[in-house]
Amino acid sequence: EIVLTQSPATLSLSPGERATLSCRASQSVSGYLAWYQQKPGQAPRLLIYDASNRATGIPARFSGSGSGTDFTLTISSLEPEDFVVYYCQQRNNWPLTFGQGTRLEIK
Amino acid sequence: EVHLLESGGTLVPPGGSLRLSCAASRFTFSSYAMTWVRQAPGKGLEWVSTISNSGGTTFYADSVQGRFTISRDNSKNTLHLQMNSLRADDTAVYYCAKGTIAARYFDFWGQGTLVTVSS
Repeated sequence: EIVLTQSPATLSLSPGERATLSCRASQSVSGYLAWYQQKPGQAPRLLIYDASNRATGIPARFSGSGSGTDFTLTISSLEPEDFVVYYCQQRNNWPLTFGQGTRLEIK
Repeated sequence: EVHLLESGGTLVPPGGSLRLSCAASRFTFSSYAMTWVRQAPGKGLEWVSTISNSGGTTFYADSVQGRFTISRDNSKNTLHLQMNSLRADDTAVYYCAKGTIAARYFDFWGQGTLVTVSS
């Protein structure tokens, strides 16, 4: 099973700042990694797929990069609604796995 | 827009059984793989099971293999999850999710249904 480790667990920033979230895989997942956003009481929403492709309707301030074992989700300028939880997910191997999540909180 | 509506979640005793359903609409259900993902209270996301668009291929997490069965009825645009031998650690919100073209990402999710396993 591929283990995805997200860091940091919690990231404290202010609106307008740049956020950089990390996801590291225990073995290569090639470019087959997605990022999801989950707001309280809601289902997750797909943000990025195949490491760097924005899903339909996702604002341009969200971007993804990486390949192999190291991936990054960047939010260029934080909006108030961005302070929620983010998960990475790999699709390279069964079982599909998620990272444990990074909580973005207002500083 | 795509709509997914889960049902069937409730309180069930350890060792019991439950069948979840997910009614899909506003997309060609038979063209896409479908998946169940669960989230224990206050915890992260856990992939549970995926079924191919035809229903001919299924995948399960080790934690549910042999106890859960995923199925679909393409004539009724409905996804199911039969859960047997339920344990306390199966307590979670269960989401059904539509696969992308690549099948193993999830671009639309239902609102979830809560399964509580407790005596």
